[in-house]
Amino acid sequence: AQRVTQPEKLLSVFKGAPVELKCNYSYSGSPELFWYVQYSRQRLQLLLRHISRESIKGFTADLNKGETSFHLKKPFAQEEDSAMYYCALSPGGYNKLIFGAGTRLAVHP
Amino acid sequence: SQTIHQWPATLVQPVGSPLSLECTVEGTSNPNLYWYRQAAGRGLQLLFYSVGIGQISSEVPQNLSASRPQDRQFILSSKKLLLSDSGFYLCAWTYRDRDGYTFGSGTRLTVV
Repeated sequence: AQRVTQPEKLLSVFKGAPVELKCNYSYSGSPELFWYVQYSRQRLQLLLRHISRESIKGFTADLNKGETSFHLKKPFAQEEDSAMYYCALSPGGYNKLIFGAGTRLAVHP
Repeated sequence: SQTIHQWPATLVQPVGSPLSLECTVEGTSNPNLYWYRQAAGRGLQLLFYSVGIGQISSEVPQNLSASRPQDRQFILSSKKLLLSDSGFYLCAWTYRDRDGYTFGSGTRLTVV
């Protein structure tokens, strides 16, 4: 079954500390993976996608097919990074983007 | 540029009443459209998706239905709401999967 697991409901760090939001997936094929973010009172929006291999707002995520993981990382957290983060999997075809339960990141001053 | 509109923003409805939530997309044609429900601690659950006019796929059995009467219009409906239908409903569109989804601002539905 296709599944996305985000084991942490809440991740609390201090400003300047490294951040790693965990995401593991279950899918037998070659998935496309995404990270979405929802800031307070804003729409859910795409943060980054693995095929782009990009860094957005200092965040990066590497697809590890051996560990079936797509963890989101940032070396130095900022207060404005506080938000809800969702990992998502697209198995292809007509889409059906599958989301994890989300992790709330709280960055304290 | 493409935009997605979703309304109403909030809705309070009594149990047993009908429901109609509307989503429209501008600036694109033949988008794939989606309805999700966001529940606290449970992430986003895909309810329906549509790849064309009149084509609806349902992901979970439930008290809701969806329709796509026009290319860029997606409607979520119910004939009789249940308390368990309360939640935050999100509409989204994409042209290609790998581009990611664009979400609407959502509708918070409270069934009382």
